[in-house]
Amino acid sequence: DIHMTQSPSSLSASVEDRVTITCRASQSVGIYLNWYQQKPGKAPKLLIYGASSLQSGVPSRFSGSGSGTDFTLTISSLQPEDFATYYCQQSYNIPRTFGQGTKVEIK
Amino acid sequence: EVQLVESGGDLVQPGRSLRLSCVASGFTFDDYAMHWVRQVPGKGLEWLAGISWNRASIDYEDSVKGRFTIFRDNAKNSLYLQMNSLRAEDTALYYCAKDLGITLREGRAFDIWGQGTMVTVSS
Repeated sequence: DIHMTQSPSSLSASVEDRVTITCRASQSVGIYLNWYQQKPGKAPKLLIYGASSLQSGVPSRFSGSGSGTDFTLTISSLQPEDFATYYCQQSYNIPRTFGQGTKVEIK
Repeated sequence: EVQLVESGGDLVQPGRSLRLSCVASGFTFDDYAMHWVRQVPGKGLEWLAGISWNRASIDYEDSVKGRFTIFRDNAKNSLYLQMNSLRAEDTALYYCAKDLGITLREGRAFDIWGQGTMVTVSS
């Protein structure tokens, strides 16, 4: 199985801060890397697929980059509604493993 | 409105069985692969099983292989998860999720998720 490791596990940030979350795969996943946002009591929401493609309806302050084993999710200017937990997921092979999550909290 | 609605979660004893259902609406169900993902409250996401649009390809995570069965009825726009020999560690919120692709091998993301149905395994 491909193991996905996110860092940090949590972070505190202020509104309008630039936030970066990283995800590392235990082996190459090409660009088969997706990012999800989950708010408390809600289902995950797809933000980025294919490492850098923005899902329809997702604000342009979210962006993704990377390939192979190292990936980044960037929020260019953190907004109040962005405080949530973010997960990366590889879709290169089965099982479709997720990272452990990064919780973005208000500073 | 595009949506997935799960049902069937319950409190069950260890060793018993349970069937979860997921009804899709607002999109052409048989054009997409589908998946089940679970989440222990307060913990991360765990992919469990996936099925291609035509049921030709089915895959499972190792911990549920042989105990859980994913299947679909395209005529009813429905996805199912038959769970047998349930264990305490199967206690979680179970989500169904729609793939962006039609097969499991396309390596696409999950763009639509249901609200989840809670399964509690306890004596």
